[in-house]
Amino acid sequence: DTEVTQTPKHLVMGMTNKKSLKCEQHMGHRAMYWYKQKAKKPPELMFVYSYEKLSINESVPSRFSPECPNSSLLNLHLHALQPEDSALYLCASSPVPWAGTGGYTEAFFGQGTRLTVV
Amino acid sequence: DAKTTQPPSMDCAEGRAANLPCNHSTISGNEYVYWYRQIHSQGPQYIIHGLKNNETNEMASLIITEDRKSSTLILPHATLRDTAVYYCIVRVDSGGSNYKLTFGKGTLLTVNP
Repeated sequence: DTEVTQTPKHLVMGMTNKKSLKCEQHMGHRAMYWYKQKAKKPPELMFVYSYEKLSINESVPSRFSPECPNSSLLNLHLHALQPEDSALYLCASSPVPWAGTGGYTEAFFGQGTRLTVV
Repeated sequence: DAKTTQPPSMDCAEGRAANLPCNHSTISGNEYVYWYRQIHSQGPQYIIHGLKNNETNEMASLIITEDRKSSTLILPHATLRDTAVYYCIVRVDSGGSNYKLTFGKGTLLTVNP
């Protein structure tokens, strides 16, 4: 199983709603990532979890709240979003974090959740 | 803070080789070069990586210059399904022994019939 599974595939939410995006992998990977991608732009890193601990937060607004309940699961909790937060949200995982040794590690990406905030 | 430079777009005829260049002039000696591609509305897909030597797998070949300041991804026989945005990526130091994959703007490769 070399898949990263994201649910839901599509989500429409109002600005006062609370919703969550879910990401799951069963490859034994110990690093997981959230990226945000706007139309015709490259993916932008939001958060990195290494061994279930948050290691990188790219100054993401607090209306986005990540959670890593266990090594296989990554959530992104959404609250009070703005229409400009509409984007494709991508989850990825890798066997180990991008460590300081310069060693190679491959990241596997899910197919994303297409989020629309109305 | 992407550390790579790629042409924004390229065209290739179906069945011909596609050669996608990337400049990474600030790469340090122990950093790998990674290539990913993203077909429209899908998640990015790993293609190949390399450090110093040329690499080949079932998808592509990677040629890295001797000074490691640039590389070329080669799709030997491009098909219509290879139409995608191709990203050349070098790991970025995020501080505190943390590193990250930061995507540059990539190259939109269009394979024409």
